[in-house]
Amino acid sequence: GQNIDQPTEMTATEGAIVQINCTYQTSGFNGLFWYQQHAGEAPTFLSYNVLDGLEEKGRFSSFLSRSKGYSYLLLKELQMKDSASYLCAVMDSNYQLIWGAGTKLIIKP
Amino acid sequence: DADVTQTPRNRITKTGKRIMLECSQTKGHDRMYWYRQDPGLGLRLIYYSFDVKDINKGEISDGYSVSRQAQAKFSLSLESAIPNQTALYFCATSANRDTGELFFGEGSRLTVL
Repeated sequence: GQNIDQPTEMTATEGAIVQINCTYQTSGFNGLFWYQQHAGEAPTFLSYNVLDGLEEKGRFSSFLSRSKGYSYLLLKELQMKDSASYLCAVMDSNYQLIWGAGTKLIIKP
Repeated sequence: DADVTQTPRNRITKTGKRIMLECSQTKGHDRMYWYRQDPGLGLRLIYYSFDVKDINKGEISDGYSVSRQAQAKFSLSLESAIPNQTALYFCATSANRDTGELFFGEGSRLTVL
């Protein structure tokens, strides 16, 4: 079966750095995506990786290793507004998105 | 105004009732999707449509039906609602097959008593 694993919850301190991991087993691979979802709101797109390596976008970076079935989302200089759930999703060989359950990130002052 | 609009935003209904959730979009995208989100689970695909004449079942289509009335409109129906269909429902659009960048509506919270 297809599976996306990510931690259920993480806690970090304002101004610090946090890394949210995602491992996957899917039927084929056509890209890995990270979304941010604030409580009670819709998910919004953060990043896309299809080749191995690091993609940087401001305070957020996303890393992919296809051979290990592994990605992480790195958030720097954490702000209170970064408190949200972060969803990892993989596009399989049929171009369908398979979603992880999400990681709830709690930022403390 | 939001690019992807869902109505109603909240609905409480009783078992056995017919419910329709509506979605409209101004992004001009051909591809539209209906997902449900439950606590502790990932988003699960109910139905998707690549154009007005193309509708496909997703992972959990049983108990649901859809209608693509126009490029901009995609409705989800629960013919006879049951309590385990209580969930947060999202409509989403995308520009093409290769992009996993979805644009979501604000969600419709459905409670079936």
